[in-house]
Amino acid sequence: AAGVIQSPRHLIKEKRETATLKCYPIPRHDTVYWYQQGPGQDPQFLISFYEKMQSDKGSIPDRFSAQQFSDYHSELNMSSLELGDSALYFCASSLSYAGTGELFFGEGSRLTVL
Amino acid sequence: KQEVTQIPAALSVPEGENLVLNCSFTDSAIYNLQWFRQDPGKGLTSLLLIQSSQREQTSGRLNASLDKSSGRSTLYIAASQPGDSATYLCAVGGYSTLTFGKGTMLLVSP
Repeated sequence: AAGVIQSPRHLIKEKRETATLKCYPIPRHDTVYWYQQGPGQDPQFLISFYEKMQSDKGSIPDRFSAQQFSDYHSELNMSSLELGDSALYFCASSLSYAGTGELFFGEGSRLTVL
Repeated sequence: KQEVTQIPAALSVPEGENLVLNCSFTDSAIYNLQWFRQDPGKGLTSLLLIQSSQREQTSGRLNASLDKSSGRSTLYIAASQPGDSATYLCAVGGYSTLTFGKGTMLLVSP
């Protein structure tokens, strides 16, 4: 069965550079979520989209932005990268909004900022 | 704001033992609760989903229960195996997202 696809799997950037992460949800899933997991930490919610509109916002820095496109894939853009942005970034998708759907997570994109 | 606590933070058991992982949450107005497994540096694998109207869910050697009124869930693992070694995360489903606990790191020794 198709799963959530994230790319790239690994990314190394210098401080103050920009990075873009992509997420392709499970087919027919209409909701996408982004989470950030720092070393030894639990996943922290960043932002979510339902039917291409932002639906909720968590602890996402102003330097980060995201959007969901017409084909439902999503991109997380991170600018002015800082050392503390080094983390595993997860994308998840679900079939329904309002918390009633099961979330399926991708394998994550590991960002290292040097 | 929803807060999710998992106890214990770490657990080491010999192979074959039955074990219980605990999860508690502060806001009982939840839509569902999911248990995930995470291997080091890897993604999150969904183990069980319990809707707010359900009391428990079972999958193989795993059984999860939910007591919404008391804000508690337990994950029961029967006949543990070394391959069960991983971090287990409890996540509570609110209106628009999941809130995670910090996880229980499980080590099952042969």
